[in-house]
Amino acid sequence: AQTVTQSQPEMSVQEAETVTLSCTYDTSESDYYLFWYKQPPSRQMILVIRQEAYKQQNATENRFSVNFQKAAKSFSLKISDSQLGDAAMYFCAYRRGATNKLIFGTGTLLAVQP
Amino acid sequence: DAGVTQSPTHLIKTRGQQVTLRCSPKSGHDTVSWYQQALGQGPQFIFQYYEEEERQRGNFPDRFSGHQFPNYSSELNVNALLLGDSALYLCASSFPGQSYEQYFGPGTRLTVT
Repeated sequence: AQTVTQSQPEMSVQEAETVTLSCTYDTSESDYYLFWYKQPPSRQMILVIRQEAYKQQNATENRFSVNFQKAAKSFSLKISDSQLGDAAMYFCAYRRGATNKLIFGTGTLLAVQP
Repeated sequence: DAGVTQSPTHLIKTRGQQVTLRCSPKSGHDTVSWYQQALGQGPQFIFQYYEEEERQRGNFPDRFSGHQFPNYSSELNVNALLLGDSALYLCASSFPGQSYEQYFGPGTRLTVT
């Protein structure tokens, strides 16, 4: 069975600094997707970034980028120039190929200090 | 363009009762998935509906059932409520062909007393 592990329950970063959130996963599949979702106090899950397993290039979305290490089954999220609005719970998620089922980690609560 | 909407926002029920939660997908989406998020945990997949049929199911008992209507909206029903069913219930919609990108609603907070 596929699993997703986030080993950092909480992280803190100063405004304008860079922070990296860690995620590891376990799967025997070759066709899969990895995601980072942000869940602010409003509760709505927002997609931050997506990585297709078959792509070697790391995904980037503005201040957000990932370090995808397929052999190590590692998928970390880097947030550059952190802003107060980045404060939220961040979830790493896995989805096998042609399915809708997302498997989530337990989340990392990110605090941004002014 | 309306996103995914869910109703009600909050709900309080008593053990043993039944509850129905509702979800309207994002415009153009025809697939709906439901997730249960216990406090302090990541969401857990309950099931997915497409073409008015349950297509995939997570590890949840038969007390959890659902329905999808011709307009793609969906309901989640939970019978014989237990205290452990207290959670945030999230609905996500997607459209096959767009890499199964899922968009989440704001959730329904269910409290069972």
